[in-house]
Amino acid sequence: AQKVTQAQTEISVVEKEDVTLDCVYETRDTTYYLFWYKQPPSGELVFLIRRNSFDEQNEISGRYSWNFQKSTSSFNFTITASQVVDSAVYFCALSEAGQAGTALIFGKGTTLSVSS
Amino acid sequence: DVKVTQSSRYLVKRTGEKVFLECVQDMDHENMFWYRQDPGLGLRLIYFSYDVKMKEKGDIPEGYSVSREKKERFSLILESASTNQTSMYLCASSLGSTSSYNSPLHFGNGTRLTVT
Repeated sequence: AQKVTQAQTEISVVEKEDVTLDCVYETRDTTYYLFWYKQPPSGELVFLIRRNSFDEQNEISGRYSWNFQKSTSSFNFTITASQVVDSAVYFCALSEAGQAGTALIFGKGTTLSVSS
Repeated sequence: DVKVTQSSRYLVKRTGEKVFLECVQDMDHENMFWYRQDPGLGLRLIYFSYDVKMKEKGDIPEGYSVSREKKERFSLILESASTNQTSMYLCASSLGSTSSYNSPLHFGNGTRLTVT
């Protein structure tokens, strides 16, 4: 069965520190997608990135970077030089190829608190 | 931008009441989802729909039903609300067809339901 584990429940850092959020997944499919979402205090989940199982290239977007390693079934998210606005709950999610309407399976989330 | 609108931000209902949570999306998405979010449990899928009048049970459908009479609208129904259904409810939509498993979900702001 598919599963997403975010072992870090809460992380607290001081502004400008780098922080890595861990995500480990389980799936039997060879074709799947991984996602990261951000949920700021306002409540709405915001899509950050999508990565398919055939693309292990790391991705960088500004201060955000993602490291996808199939060998360890991990899809970790790093924020460089964190800012207070990065404070949010971050969710990792998995979607498997298959019939239409497949839903995302979410991890339990990591609450990141960035203090000034 | 995709807009997913949930009819109420906050709702307080009494035990035993029938509760309707409404969700509307404006991007002609085939797939729509209802999740509930609870502290320490992350997002759990209640029901989803990949077409009008179609519905699929998620991980925790007990005590809930859904209705999808029009493509843009997906309603979550609590037939007889109970205190353990106090939660944040999140509606989401995504593109359907064969690419559905890699389509990001677009979320509404959520409805915080309190059952007393």
